[in-house]
Amino acid sequence: DAGVIQSPRHEVTEMGQEVTLRCKPISGHDYLFWYRQTMMRGLELLIYFNNNVPIDDSGMPEDRFSAKMPNASFSTLKIQPSEPRDSAVYFCASSGDRVETQYFGPGTRLLVL
Amino acid sequence: GQQVMQIPQYQHVQEGEDFTTYCNSSTTLSNIQWYKQRPGGHPVFLIQLVKSGEVKKQKRLTFQFGEAKKNSSLHITATQTTDVGTYFCAGRRTGGSYIPTFGRGTSLIVHP
Repeated sequence: DAGVIQSPRHEVTEMGQEVTLRCKPISGHDYLFWYRQTMMRGLELLIYFNNNVPIDDSGMPEDRFSAKMPNASFSTLKIQPSEPRDSAVYFCASSGDRVETQYFGPGTRLLVL
Repeated sequence: GQQVMQIPQYQHVQEGEDFTTYCNSSTTLSNIQWYKQRPGGHPVFLIQLVKSGEVKKQKRLTFQFGEAKKNSSLHITATQTTDVGTYFCAGRRTGGSYIPTFGRGTSLIVHP
């Protein structure tokens, strides 16, 4: 299995631009999580999906952030417009029957100038 | 909300010394997971503990779940430079959301 796949691996953009992060979960996993990691705040859960349905988005910082999961093999996290304080590493993770056992992707390192 | 606290935040050791990180919850946990994140990498699942007082070992790593299921520890014997990284615990609150909450992690630095 290829594991969780994320793209791009690195993104540098200017403030105000739209940023789209992509994730392909492990085949057969029905939970998908989006996390943000910074030195200041650690690993924060932004949103998670179960069977493609958003279950809890209380961790999404504000309306500039949105996430979708149109099918079982693809999810996006969009930031529009981006701000410098959004600079972080964004991880996607998926899990199957044992929901607590999460498999993380390599992350997208986002820098907003 | 549920809080999972980890101490210490950082730990410097000489290669060959032992290392322990502690995870404490304000509420009883159904289970607890441990992850390791290498510098520049992503969290990787290590183990899950479920039973009160449970102890599990993986080579030089010993994981323990407290009797009250409110705390856990990870002990590494005779650290090696390959142990460098951040160790996270994640706990699921009994009767609460089945999604675990991550601690802030303990960063281990091993000096050769």
